[in-house]
Amino acid sequence: GENVEQHPSTLSVQEGDSAVIKCTYSDSASNYFPWYKQELGKRPQLIIDIRSNVGEKKDQRIAVTLNKTAKHFSLHITETQPEDSAVYFCAASMTSYDKVIFGPGTSLSVIP
Amino acid sequence: DTGVSQDPRHKITKRGQNVTFRCDPISEHNRLYWYRQTLGQGPEFLTYFQNEAQLEKSRLLSDRFSAERPKGSFSTLEIQRTEQGDSAMYLCASSLGLAGVYEQFFGPGTRLTVL
Repeated sequence: GENVEQHPSTLSVQEGDSAVIKCTYSDSASNYFPWYKQELGKRPQLIIDIRSNVGEKKDQRIAVTLNKTAKHFSLHITETQPEDSAVYFCAASMTSYDKVIFGPGTSLSVIP
Repeated sequence: DTGVSQDPRHKITKRGQNVTFRCDPISEHNRLYWYRQTLGQGPEFLTYFQNEAQLEKSRLLSDRFSAERPKGSFSTLEIQRTEQGDSAMYLCASSLGLAGVYEQFFGPGTRLTVL
């Protein structure tokens, strides 16, 4: 079955700096890659997603890149703010409405 | 509130007891998913439904676990003979289940503590 790995497990950045989280997946049949943000004690919320026919997608300060050949995908957050502090999960799925396999998470701390 | 709801939000039980959780998805969503999340980990897939049909069950879901979605609306997850290792947050999510409509919306979760 699908396995998603994520690095780093923790990340601290100064406010205004960029943060990058990298993930790999194992199942070449996966073609939908969502990213979720989970604040302490709250439910996961989708922040951005990318499909396999797209190499890059951007939404304001957040961008995702996908290298399907290498089975790598990454999340980039620019101009980080304290409210970006949370746990971020990458995930993979065969379709947009199939089960989602999550990575172990990255705890991001943005230091004011 | 038109989002996904779960009940109860917290459940404390003794080892060996049975527990049942309920999930109410967003009304027009025909896909419903159950995940389990332990501290410091990502959500782990348990099972999912397309309307009332259970499409897949994870190997994590032992025979002590059963899930139903009898009328294709709300769903229940039952754990029989609970063990301390069952302590976790149980998350429910729903989606439209249509190509081109992507997002799974999560509920607030039910936190289970088995003593």
